[in-house]
Amino acid sequence: QKEVEQNSGPLSVPEGAIASLNCTYSDRGSQSFFWYRQYSGKSPELIMFIYSNGDKEDGRFTAQLNKASQYVSLLIRDSQPSDSATYLCAGVLYNQGGKLIFGQGTELSVKP
Amino acid sequence: GAGVSQTPSNKVTEKGKYVELRCDPISGHTALYWYRQSLGQGPEFLIYFQGTGAADDSGLPNDRFFAVRPEGSVSTLKIQRTERGDSAVYLCASSPSAGAYTDTQYFGPGTRLTVL
Repeated sequence: QKEVEQNSGPLSVPEGAIASLNCTYSDRGSQSFFWYRQYSGKSPELIMFIYSNGDKEDGRFTAQLNKASQYVSLLIRDSQPSDSATYLCAGVLYNQGGKLIFGQGTELSVKP
Repeated sequence: GAGVSQTPSNKVTEKGKYVELRCDPISGHTALYWYRQSLGQGPEFLIYFQGTGAADDSGLPNDRFFAVRPEGSVSTLKIQRTERGDSAVYLCASSPSAGAYTDTQYFGPGTRLTVL
């Protein structure tokens, strides 16, 4: 079992809808999670991180963490075609120098 | 300020050749990470440096791979006797420190390595 798992998609949503991206993890040593967005042919860019149980909001993005269920999600409200990209979930192993363990990424397509 | 830079952006080489990939981190960042990303996959950890020393090289696939960071800034990933399976995008990231609770890793643009 991979340490961080994501549904590879593609996930298709209409413009203006809420996109929900999910991630599960197996290593309880991962206490913080980062969401990165990656456009085709580009490097990952940070969207947000979360380390406390509950919700964290930043603009149109909300990250949710449930440590008991080992589940992380990212909600994108009012989805735009420019949000079409691959979204990478990564757990941080602080006892190993902060290295990131990535899921395989979920491809999101927002249709106009 | 300047972000993480990587050179070259693309490298095409022949099987068996030696290649060097360079990473210039954000100024002042003491932690530097190398990842490898194959098509359709998330990045996979290779090695990280805290200062000049390689603190964790557990992700290096075999002894053909080696990385250095002699002055605690620029890092070079070296691959000997390249194989077709080494073809991937090699990503470098830097962070203010290694393992601090909220330190963010900032990625460079990557080097796309193609081994023919």
